[in-house]
Amino acid sequence: GAGVSQSPSNKVTEKGKDVELRCDPISGHTALYWYRQSLGQGLEFLIYFQGNSAPDKSGLPSDRFSAERTGGSVSTLTIQRTQQEDSAVYLCASSLTDTEAFFGQGTRLTVV
Amino acid sequence: AQSVAQPEDQVNVAEGNPLTVKCTYSVSGNPYLFWYVQYPNRGLQFLLKYITGDNLVKGSYGFEAEFNKSQTSFHLKKPSALVSDSALYFCAVRDLYSSASKIIFGSGTRLSIRP
Repeated sequence: GAGVSQSPSNKVTEKGKDVELRCDPISGHTALYWYRQSLGQGLEFLIYFQGNSAPDKSGLPSDRFSAERTGGSVSTLTIQRTQQEDSAVYLCASSLTDTEAFFGQGTRLTVV
Repeated sequence: AQSVAQPEDQVNVAEGNPLTVKCTYSVSGNPYLFWYVQYPNRGLQFLLKYITGDNLVKGSYGFEAEFNKSQTSFHLKKPSALVSDSALYFCAVRDLYSSASKIIFGSGTRLSIRP
């Protein structure tokens, strides 16, 4: 596709369950980012993949959060044992090495 | 490490008046600066960027931003505001010459344009 695609667009899960969020970046983009945005607030950096380099995981809030990027393309963000404070919009973005990032529409996660 | 500050949570402007949304940054190397806009229930849209060269950069929807190295600022401006400019605006920075550098966003400024 022409843009960054995220799925699902909405996810409601019970507290304690695991969830997986998917991101399909723009074809050919070497960099991929995950951010979290709480209701109407700023963007909290989570993780950054750049080519074959080791990912920058410095923003992951706890060891319940992990992400992988397979074959330098699709990325999955996994949240284990979800908590209510994990409720937010999770945004994925991709870019070429030295250009601006293009964002997907996000996944709205609600933990009940 | 890099950081971005947007000192105003909200900016209110009358339609037709000029607007400014403030941003200051900190980066160890040379800055690569961005502005993004987020309309309600929409994803983030890229507005403009500064890499090198002319300190005044022009972007989408009539917006422009002025890079000031001595003040480490990158304020967003528009000569004449429209009601449709009402949205959430984010400033962002990365280290220009480090491919390992991630993009860090400010906390956002809500721009409200009254008719």
